[in-house]
Amino acid sequence: AQKITQTQPGMFVQEKEAVTLDCTYDTSDQSYGLFWYKQPSSGEMIFLIYQGSYDEQNATEGRYSLNFQKARKSANLVISASQLGDSAMYFCAMREGNYGQNFVFGPGTRLSVLP
Amino acid sequence: DAGITQSPRHKVTETGTPVTLRCHQTENHRYMYWYRQDPGHGLRLIHYSYGVKDTDKGEVSDGYSVSRSKTEDFLLTLESATSSQTSVYFCAISDPSSGGGLDTQYFGPGTRLTVL
Repeated sequence: AQKITQTQPGMFVQEKEAVTLDCTYDTSDQSYGLFWYKQPSSGEMIFLIYQGSYDEQNATEGRYSLNFQKARKSANLVISASQLGDSAMYFCAMREGNYGQNFVFGPGTRLSVLP
Repeated sequence: DAGITQSPRHKVTETGTPVTLRCHQTENHRYMYWYRQDPGHGLRLIHYSYGVKDTDKGEVSDGYSVSRSKTEDFLLTLESATSSQTSVYFCAISDPSSGGGLDTQYFGPGTRLTVL
């Protein structure tokens, strides 16, 4: 069974608008972490934002926020005021437990920002 | 910048030849990882290390071996490369001691390997 599901293979958004990238996860662990990474066309993997399973507030980092709905097992990434430089692949990932190797990635969503 | 470099950045080789990829980090992070990235699969863990000479297998370890003789270097070896190992390989680091159980993984720039 897929542990991380990203149902949107590709999305388009107009510049300066907000966009939500969906991520659902599956785990029976009580302690886990959720991550979003950005991969621009240049290929590097850039860490964007983290949410711990015990964090009561949604994580925010600048224009990025993580809409964490624990009961629904969803961890959607919200990008506010999209910029052309936001065009990239976005990967949701989960770490089961507190640290280490149990780190799985979703298949990714390709976001295209239109001028 | 997590101070991670990978070498080579690009390599073309022939089926059956051995290949070694190197990951080097400068900040004494305890955990190091090797992933491969293929279209439609996201990133998949090959092997990881939790200290010098301490390594273990990941999801897709067949055909790969690793070694870590120094904290800063983690080597990935394809003993006899096959075309199915054509991929982009990423090294990553993390450090549970960073506090709060955060243990975010930070990635190197990647190595594009083509096996003909």
